[in-house]
Amino acid sequence: SQQGEEDPQALSIQEGENATMNCSYKTSINNLQWYRQNSGRGLVHLILIRSNEREKHSGRLRVTLDTSKKSSSLLITASRAADTASYFCATSTGAQKLVFGQGTRLTINP
Amino acid sequence: GAGVSQSPSNKVTEKGKDVELRCDPISGHTALYWYRQRLGQGLEFLIYFQGNSAPDKSGLPSDRFSAERTGESVSTLTIQRTQQEDSAVYLCASSLWTGPYEQYFGPGTRLTVT
Repeated sequence: SQQGEEDPQALSIQEGENATMNCSYKTSINNLQWYRQNSGRGLVHLILIRSNEREKHSGRLRVTLDTSKKSSSLLITASRAADTASYFCATSTGAQKLVFGQGTRLTINP
Repeated sequence: GAGVSQSPSNKVTEKGKDVELRCDPISGHTALYWYRQRLGQGLEFLIYFQGNSAPDKSGLPSDRFSAERTGESVSTLTIQRTQQEDSAVYLCASSLWTGPYEQYFGPGTRLTVT
């Protein structure tokens, strides 16, 4: 069963705007990770946030984690056409196995 | 250094045939994972290898699916008597054992069963 559920399933915005994607999960976690997938092939790791962290930044990416609400958000600022991809959250419960959500398909319109 | 590689990149097979998919992890990564991704869907965990420990096979959908790994190197995923519902992209990933457990993915094998 899926642990993480992304919201929205699809998002279309204009280049330059900010994109926000949300992830909710069901059980306690050790860490939560966000991945990007282009063209239905291999995933690329974007950022990892541990359960004792609330916010993390990496370049144009900002991730928040609210363990009381069992939710996380990924914000991409000043979006570019190259950001068009599917974005997945994945949760770890302490073991190395990750459980992935269904993903958000992000389209950046020029 | 080299990333995770998978072969073949595409495989078309007839229903009922067996297929073997290969994954070469990043050197030094002791953990190796197989996932299945159907069109437009998320990743479905299949199996996980960690060093010499018994693999976690909890995600294998049926006994037609099996996987092996030689030491801390190459892994093969075998699907016997393929069915049309096996059509998907099969992704392999590897990671370090010591954490923080981010996974590095290969490009995947797109399997089409006709």
